[in-house]
Formats: sequence, structure tokens, C-alpha cells
Amino acid sequence: GQNIDQPTEMTATEGAIVQINCTYQTSGFNGLFWYQQHAGEAPTFLSYNVLDGLEEKGRFSSFLSRSKGYSYLLLKELQMKDSASYLCAVKDSNYQLIWGAGTKLIIKP
Amino acid sequence: NAGVTQTPKFRILKIGQSMTLQCTQDMNHNYMYWYRQDPGMGLKLIYYSVGAGITDKGEVPNGYNVSRSTTEDFPLRLESAAPSQTSVYFCASSLGDSAYEQYFGPGTRLTVT
Repeated sequence: GQNIDQPTEMTATEGAIVQINCTYQTSGFNGLFWYQQHAGEAPTFLSYNVLDGLEEKGRFSSFLSRSKGYSYLLLKELQMKDSASYLCAVKDSNYQLIWGAGTKLIIKP
Repeated sequence: NAGVTQTPKFRILKIGQSMTLQCTQDMNHNYMYWYRQDPGMGLKLIYYSVGAGITDKGEVPNGYNVSRSTTEDFPLRLESAAPSQTSVYFCASSLGDSAYEQYFGPGTRLTVT
């Protein structure tokens, strides 16, 4: 079967750095996406990785290791507005997105 | 540019009732999707479409139907609502199926009692 694993919940302090991990087992791989979802709202796109390595976009970075079936999202200089769920999703061999359950990130002042 | 719009935002149905969830996008995207999101679970794909006149089943299609008569519209129909269909429904669209991100509508919160 296909599976995406992420921690259910994480807590971090405003101004700090947090790393959210994602491991996957899918039938094929055509890219990995990270989305942010605030409570009661729709998911919004954060990043896309298809090759191994680090993609940096402002305060957010995403890393991929295809051989290990592993990705992480790194959030720097945390702000209160970063309190949200972070969803990891992998495109399988049929180009369907398989979604993790999401990691709820709680930011404390 | 409104992006992806969905109506209604909220709906309560009785068991056995039918309804249509509306979805419209104004980005001229060929690909459109319907997902449901249950608490503590990942998004599950119900149906998708790669263009007008073409639809296909996703992971959880039972109890739902779709149509795609235009590029802009992709309605989702529940023929006979069941409590198991209580969920938040998201419509999304994308330019293609590879590296392209999906843009989501605001969602419809449906309760079946």
C-alpha cells in the first residue's frame, strides 16, 4: 500500500527553527509537495521537490532524499502566523497526489 | 481573478437527500479534482478530470458522481447522502499533472444526520 508518515503535532517557540519530517512509501515517485493549511481554510502550496537536495524559499526550505523516501520542511524565524498544519504529499506513478495526515504546528510566544 | 470558488460553504443534509457541490475556476486549468478531508486523515481523492468531457475515479468514488461539461465547472453530486459522507470537501485545479501545484477552493463543510 501507499503510505505517508508525518508527526501529528509539534510545538515550537516564536523566533526559533523547526523541522517537520515526512517519510513515504508510494508506488512510483513524481515529486513531493508541501502545503500549509490554517485551521478552517484551504491548503496553500509551499514547495515542490523532485530531485534530491534542498530547495530554499525565504524562511521556508524543503529537503528531499529519494533513496531514503524522506523529506523535511524547515521553517526559520518562526512567527505566530506560522501556526498551521503542514501537509506532505507525493505524486505516485499515476501522477495522483497521496497525502499525509498533516503535522499541526503550534507556535508559542 | 477569483481562482477556485465553491458553493455552498456549509450544508446539513438528512440521510437519503441529494445535493450538488459546485466548483468553478477561472484560471483556464485543464485539471480539476475533488477531495474530502476527514479529521486526522490525509486528503482523499474522490474524482478528477483532465479536461472537459473527461472524468475518472479517484481513491474514494463510491456514493459520488461528477461531470465536466466546461473547462471552468466541475460539480460533485451526492445522490443519497449517508453519515459516512460527513466531511469537508475541497475542489482543486492545476495547469497539468506533473510539477504543477494544485490551487484549492475554500471548501464545503457537509454534515449528514
